[in-house]
Amino acid sequence: DVKVTQSSRYLVKRTGEKVFLECVQDMDHENMFWYRQDPGLGLRLIYFSYDVKMKEKGDIPEGYSVSREKKERFSLILESASTNQTSMYLCASSLLGDGYGYTFGSGTRLTVV
Amino acid sequence: AQRVTQPEKLLSVFKGAPVELKCNYSYSGSPELFWYVQYSRQRLQLLLRHISRESIKGFTADLNKGETSFHLKKPFAQEEDSAMYYCARSYNTDKLIFGTGTRLQVFP
Repeated sequence: DVKVTQSSRYLVKRTGEKVFLECVQDMDHENMFWYRQDPGLGLRLIYFSYDVKMKEKGDIPEGYSVSREKKERFSLILESASTNQTSMYLCASSLLGDGYGYTFGSGTRLTVV
Repeated sequence: AQRVTQPEKLLSVFKGAPVELKCNYSYSGSPELFWYVQYSRQRLQLLLRHISRESIKGFTADLNKGETSFHLKKPFAQEEDSAMYYCARSYNTDKLIFGTGTRLQVFP
């Protein structure tokens, strides 16, 4: 029944490491998103992709990059992890044109030490 | 900038009491409004959207364009309603902006 899968539930990384967060969806959705979820700040959009190899910056892209080589997979990359990137990361997908009914993954809680 | 405001971080009620989670949005065009819910140890999921005008799990939300509000209401809260609730509005194409969330606690 799982439709959006995030590869890791918990992750601990060291400052300066390159970190990859993976997300896969099996619903053939065109749109995929990466959000970070922080208490008191809600969900903030990091990056958005509406097609393979297409990406668009969200509200807080600094320190992050993304990759979408296949329709079903959307990766978030922290080029050099920092402690202020400790957060819960949520991946979501939706259909193009009917894009507001997001399906979310279960999240990856990343701790940078 | 588009904005969604949820003024309450925490709302605590007793079982059977009415619940109203407040949401105000910045006015721009004709946005679609949504409520998402995250129960403990579960993923965030869509609760309802204003264009559907439906009631889900006893919750309703009416879009008030004059007050730019989309408050979520339920006449009689249940313990299983305890969760984190996020209001969201559409902007640009297929993108949503979320509020900061309200944690609802329903005590027995």
